[in-house]
Amino acid sequence: DTGVSQDPRHKITKRGQNVTFRCDPISEHNRLYWYRQTLGQGPEFLTYFQNEAQLEKSRLLSDRFSAERPKGSFSTLEIQRTEQGDSAMYLCASSLASGGKEQFFGPGTRLTVL
Amino acid sequence: EDQVTQSPEALRLQEGESSSLNCSYTVSGLRGLFWYRQDPGKGPEFLFTLYSAGEEKEKERLKATLTKKESFLHITAPKPEDSATYLCAVQTDSWGKLQFGAGTQVVVTP
Repeated sequence: DTGVSQDPRHKITKRGQNVTFRCDPISEHNRLYWYRQTLGQGPEFLTYFQNEAQLEKSRLLSDRFSAERPKGSFSTLEIQRTEQGDSAMYLCASSLASGGKEQFFGPGTRLTVL
Repeated sequence: EDQVTQSPEALRLQEGESSSLNCSYTVSGLRGLFWYRQDPGKGPEFLFTLYSAGEEKEKERLKATLTKKESFLHITAPKPEDSATYLCAVQTDSWGKLQFGAGTQVVVTP
Protein backbone atom coordinates (compact mmCIF):
# COMPACT_ATOMS: atom_id res chain seq x y z
CA ASP A 1 0.00 0.00 0.00
CA THR A 2 1.50 3.36 -0.99
CA GLY A 3 -0.81 5.71 0.90
CA VAL A 4 0.20 8.69 3.00
CA SER A 5 2.40 7.74 5.94
CA GLN A 6 3.22 9.69 9.09
CA ASP A 7 5.85 9.20 11.75
CA PRO A 8 5.71 8.92 14.68
CA ARG A 9 2.14 7.80 15.31
CA HIS A 10 2.28 8.95 18.92
CA LYS A 11 4.47 11.47 20.71
CA ILE A 12 4.46 12.36 24.38
CA THR A 13 6.61 15.31 25.38
CA LYS A 14 7.08 17.74 28.23
CA ARG A 15 6.09 21.37 27.98
CA GLY A 16 8.88 23.45 26.49
CA GLN A 17 10.43 20.67 24.41
CA ASN A 18 10.70 20.72 20.62
CA VAL A 19 9.06 18.02 18.49
CA THR A 20 9.23 17.16 14.79
CA PHE A 21 6.79 15.12 12.75
CA ARG A 22 7.31 13.61 9.31
CA CYS A 23 4.85 13.02 6.47
CA ASP A 24 5.48 10.98 3.33
CA PRO A 25 2.79 11.72 0.71
CA ILE A 26 1.56 9.51 -2.09
CA SER A 27 4.48 9.50 -4.49
CA GLU A 28 2.91 11.22 -7.51
CA HIS A 29 1.08 13.87 -5.45
CA ASN A 30 2.60 17.33 -5.69
CA ARG A 31 0.36 19.01 -3.09
CA LEU A 32 0.77 18.37 0.62
CA TYR A 33 -1.36 19.71 3.48
CA TRP A 34 -1.06 19.79 7.26
CA TYR A 35 -4.13 19.91 9.50
CA ARG A 36 -4.66 19.79 13.25
CA GLN A 37 -7.59 18.05 14.90
CA THR A 38 -8.72 18.27 18.52
CA LEU A 39 -11.25 15.99 20.19
CA GLY A 40 -14.78 16.41 18.87
CA GLN A 41 -13.77 18.80 16.11
CA GLY A 42 -13.05 18.50 12.41
CA PRO A 43 -9.52 18.99 11.10
CA GLU A 44 -8.31 22.61 10.90
CA PHE A 45 -6.02 23.73 8.10
CA LEU A 46 -2.46 24.68 9.09
CA THR A 47 -0.39 25.00 5.91
CA TYR A 48 0.17 23.54 2.48
CA PHE A 49 2.83 23.05 -0.17
CA GLN A 50 2.85 22.70 -3.89
CA ASN A 51 6.06 20.83 -4.61
CA GLU A 52 8.62 22.51 -2.32
CA ALA A 53 6.87 25.89 -2.12
CA GLN A 54 4.88 26.70 1.02
CA LEU A 55 1.88 28.59 -0.32
CA GLU A 56 -0.17 29.53 2.73
CA LYS A 57 0.00 29.42 6.50
CA SER A 58 -3.03 29.59 8.75
CA ARG A 59 -3.26 32.16 11.53
CA LEU A 60 -3.39 29.10 13.81
CA LEU A 61 0.26 28.52 12.99
CA SER A 62 2.19 30.61 15.49
CA ASP A 63 5.89 31.47 15.18
CA ARG A 64 6.65 28.30 17.14
CA PHE A 65 5.50 26.19 14.21
CA SER A 66 7.53 25.64 11.06
CA ALA A 67 7.04 23.32 8.13
CA GLU A 68 9.31 22.30 5.30
CA ARG A 69 9.12 20.17 2.20
CA PRO A 70 12.62 19.87 0.81
CA LYS A 71 12.79 18.78 -2.83
CA GLY A 72 9.01 18.48 -2.94
CA SER A 73 8.98 15.03 -1.39
CA PHE A 74 8.40 14.34 2.32
CA SER A 75 7.47 17.14 4.70
CA THR A 76 8.31 17.91 8.32
CA LEU A 77 6.33 19.92 10.86
CA GLU A 78 8.29 21.22 13.83
CA ILE A 79 6.83 22.69 17.00
CA GLN A 80 9.24 24.58 19.24
CA ARG A 81 8.72 25.18 22.95
CA THR A 82 5.59 23.04 23.06
CA GLU A 83 2.62 24.11 25.17
CA GLN A 84 -0.23 22.01 26.57
CA GLY A 85 -2.57 23.63 24.06
CA ASP A 86 -0.55 22.02 21.26
CA SER A 87 -1.89 18.59 22.26
CA ALA A 88 -3.85 17.35 19.25
CA MET A 89 -3.81 14.97 16.31
CA TYR A 90 -1.63 16.33 13.49
CA LEU A 91 -2.82 15.10 10.10
CA CYS A 92 -1.06 15.19 6.77
CA ALA A 93 -2.84 14.88 3.42
CA SER A 94 -1.75 14.89 -0.19
CA SER A 95 -3.40 15.43 -3.55
CA LEU A 96 -2.75 16.03 -7.21
CA ALA A 97 -2.75 19.61 -8.45
CA SER A 98 -5.17 18.71 -11.25
CA GLY A 99 -8.15 16.44 -11.59
CA GLY A 100 -10.48 15.72 -8.70
CA LYS A 101 -8.12 17.19 -6.12
CA GLU A 102 -9.32 14.72 -3.51
CA GLN A 103 -7.07 14.83 -0.47
CA PHE A 104 -5.91 11.55 0.97
CA PHE A 105 -5.01 11.58 4.63
CA GLY A 106 -2.39 9.78 6.62
CA PRO A 107 -3.05 8.08 9.97
CA GLY A 108 -1.98 11.14 11.94
CA THR A 109 0.48 11.84 14.75
CA ARG A 110 -1.10 12.10 18.21
CA LEU A 111 0.81 14.68 20.29
CA THR A 112 0.41 14.85 24.05
CA VAL A 113 2.16 17.69 25.88
CA LEU A 114 2.49 17.12 29.63
CA GLU B 1 -16.75 34.30 6.82
CA ASP B 2 -17.15 30.79 5.43
CA GLN B 3 -19.01 28.36 7.69
CA VAL B 4 -19.70 24.63 7.64
CA THR B 5 -22.23 23.17 10.08
CA GLN B 6 -23.07 19.50 10.48
CA SER B 7 -26.13 18.04 12.17
CA PRO B 8 -26.92 16.13 14.20
CA GLU B 9 -23.77 15.97 16.33
CA ALA B 10 -24.47 12.32 17.11
CA LEU B 11 -26.82 9.69 15.73
CA ARG B 12 -27.64 6.28 17.12
CA LEU B 13 -29.27 3.84 14.69
CA GLN B 14 -30.49 0.30 14.80
CA GLU B 15 -29.08 -1.95 12.12
CA GLY B 16 -31.23 -1.50 9.01
CA GLU B 17 -32.66 1.86 10.13
CA SER B 18 -31.95 4.35 7.32
CA SER B 19 -31.19 7.99 8.10
CA SER B 20 -29.62 11.17 6.75
CA LEU B 21 -26.81 13.45 7.90
CA ASN B 22 -26.84 17.15 7.06
CA CYS B 23 -24.01 19.50 6.11
CA SER B 24 -25.02 23.12 5.62
CA TYR B 25 -22.54 25.65 4.31
CA THR B 26 -22.17 29.38 3.80
CA VAL B 27 -19.24 30.11 1.52
CA SER B 28 -18.24 32.78 -0.95
CA GLY B 29 -17.55 30.38 -3.79
CA LEU B 30 -17.84 26.61 -3.63
CA ARG B 31 -15.28 24.65 -5.64
CA GLY B 32 -16.17 21.29 -4.15
CA LEU B 33 -17.84 19.59 -1.20
CA PHE B 34 -16.17 16.52 0.24
CA TRP B 35 -17.39 13.74 2.53
CA TYR B 36 -14.99 11.74 4.66
CA ARG B 37 -15.38 8.90 7.12
CA GLN B 38 -13.16 8.82 10.22
CA ASP B 39 -12.71 5.88 12.59
CA PRO B 40 -11.40 6.54 16.12
CA GLY B 41 -7.67 7.24 16.21
CA LYS B 42 -7.33 7.20 12.41
CA GLY B 43 -7.10 9.75 9.62
CA PRO B 44 -10.16 10.67 7.54
CA GLU B 45 -10.98 8.32 4.66
CA PHE B 46 -12.21 9.91 1.44
CA LEU B 47 -15.77 9.03 0.38
CA PHE B 48 -17.19 11.52 -2.18
CA THR B 49 -16.67 14.81 -3.94
CA LEU B 50 -19.62 16.86 -5.19
CA TYR B 51 -19.17 19.91 -7.39
CA SER B 52 -22.55 21.31 -8.39
CA ALA B 53 -26.12 21.51 -7.12
CA GLY B 54 -28.15 18.49 -8.12
CA GLU B 55 -25.17 16.16 -8.21
CA GLU B 56 -25.46 12.78 -6.49
CA LYS B 57 -22.91 10.05 -5.78
CA GLU B 58 -23.32 6.56 -4.32
CA LYS B 59 -21.08 4.00 -2.74
CA GLU B 60 -22.52 0.85 -1.22
CA ARG B 61 -25.04 1.99 1.45
CA LEU B 62 -24.03 5.66 1.23
CA LYS B 63 -25.46 8.31 -1.07
CA ALA B 64 -24.41 11.96 -1.08
CA THR B 65 -26.44 14.80 -2.57
CA LEU B 66 -25.77 18.52 -2.98
CA THR B 67 -27.93 21.65 -3.14
CA LYS B 68 -26.86 25.29 -3.22
CA LYS B 69 -26.91 25.51 0.57
CA GLU B 70 -26.44 22.01 1.95
CA SER B 71 -25.42 18.43 1.36
CA PHE B 72 -26.93 15.26 2.69
CA LEU B 73 -25.32 11.91 3.33
CA HIS B 74 -27.97 9.19 3.26
CA ILE B 75 -27.19 5.90 4.94
CA THR B 76 -29.47 3.12 3.70
CA ALA B 77 -29.96 0.00 5.83
CA PRO B 78 -26.82 0.65 7.87
CA LYS B 79 -24.69 -2.10 9.38
CA PRO B 80 -22.56 -1.92 12.55
CA GLU B 81 -19.45 -1.46 10.39
CA ASP B 82 -20.88 1.88 9.23
CA SER B 83 -20.28 3.22 12.74
CA ALA B 84 -17.84 6.15 12.41
CA THR B 85 -17.66 9.93 12.42
CA TYR B 86 -18.69 11.43 9.09
CA LEU B 87 -17.04 14.71 8.17
CA CYS B 88 -17.96 17.14 5.43
CA ALA B 89 -15.61 19.79 4.10
CA VAL B 90 -15.79 22.61 1.58
CA GLN B 91 -13.11 23.75 -0.82
CA THR B 92 -13.25 27.40 -1.79
CA ASP B 93 -9.84 28.22 -3.23
CA SER B 94 -7.92 26.89 -6.20
CA TRP B 95 -5.15 25.49 -4.01
CA GLY B 96 -7.38 22.92 -2.40
CA LYS B 97 -7.53 24.02 1.24
CA LEU B 98 -10.44 22.27 3.02
CA GLN B 99 -12.65 23.72 5.73
CA PHE B 100 -14.30 20.98 7.78
CA GLY B 101 -17.44 20.76 9.85
CA ALA B 102 -17.28 19.23 13.33
CA GLY B 103 -18.66 15.90 12.12
CA THR B 104 -21.56 13.60 12.93
CA GLN B 105 -20.77 10.59 15.09
CA VAL B 106 -22.84 7.62 13.93
CA VAL B 107 -23.31 4.47 16.02
CA VAL B 108 -25.13 1.51 14.47
CA THR B 109 -26.21 -1.20 16.90
CA PRO B 110 -27.07 -4.79 15.93
